[in-house]
Amino acid sequence: GAGVSQSPRYKVAKRGQDVALRCDPISGHVSLFWYQQALGQGPEFLTYFQNEAQLDKSGLPSDRFFAERPEGSVSTLKIQRTQQEDSAVYLCASSPLGGHSYEQYFGPGTRLTVT
Amino acid sequence: ELKVEQNPLFLSMQEGKNYTIYCNYSTTSDRLYWYRQDPGKSLESLFVLLSNGAVKQEGRLMASLDTKARLSTLHITAAVHDLSATYFCAVDSETSGSRLTFGEGTQLTVNP
Repeated sequence: GAGVSQSPRYKVAKRGQDVALRCDPISGHVSLFWYQQALGQGPEFLTYFQNEAQLDKSGLPSDRFFAERPEGSVSTLKIQRTQQEDSAVYLCASSPLGGHSYEQYFGPGTRLTVT
Repeated sequence: ELKVEQNPLFLSMQEGKNYTIYCNYSTTSDRLYWYRQDPGKSLESLFVLLSNGAVKQEGRLMASLDTKARLSTLHITAAVHDLSATYFCAVDSETSGSRLTFGEGTQLTVNP
């Protein structure tokens, strides 16, 4: 079956613009995660959904970052008033069940460049 | 706060040689994962290690877990050029919720 998909794959934004990044998890997966990966670094956790409920948003770096998953499937990560330090690859992952300790399947990522 | 450290961060080796990548983590963990990432690509799952003493092998890669030492190793046997990539270990635990905490990654280059 289809894996996790993300769109767009590449996004260039001017500083101060708002952006929206989309994630389509594997069908039926309960859990959805967003990670931020800076160049040359490991991914860092941003936020976690179980179905439509956002259970953990402690990794969001500022109140400019907002994520939603209104119907428990597709998720959108929105970044308002982008800054250069937001430039990174944003990875989405899903897993089949709720709770911790289930393998996460990663999408291809969206590479965001803020100029 | 859960911390994960990998070493080395950069590894250049010749084809046919053996080497080991180390992954240390700071608190009790439930599961340890190894991922591979090719340039510009996403993370590919290699191994999931579930318990102390777990050992898994796939081709030229073998991963092991020692929960008492809070250490996992990824051993490469007779390296080939196709193994060139960045390798990440990641850990989750009850105390960190559902998130994965990743190491910095080991950039492996296998030279002919």
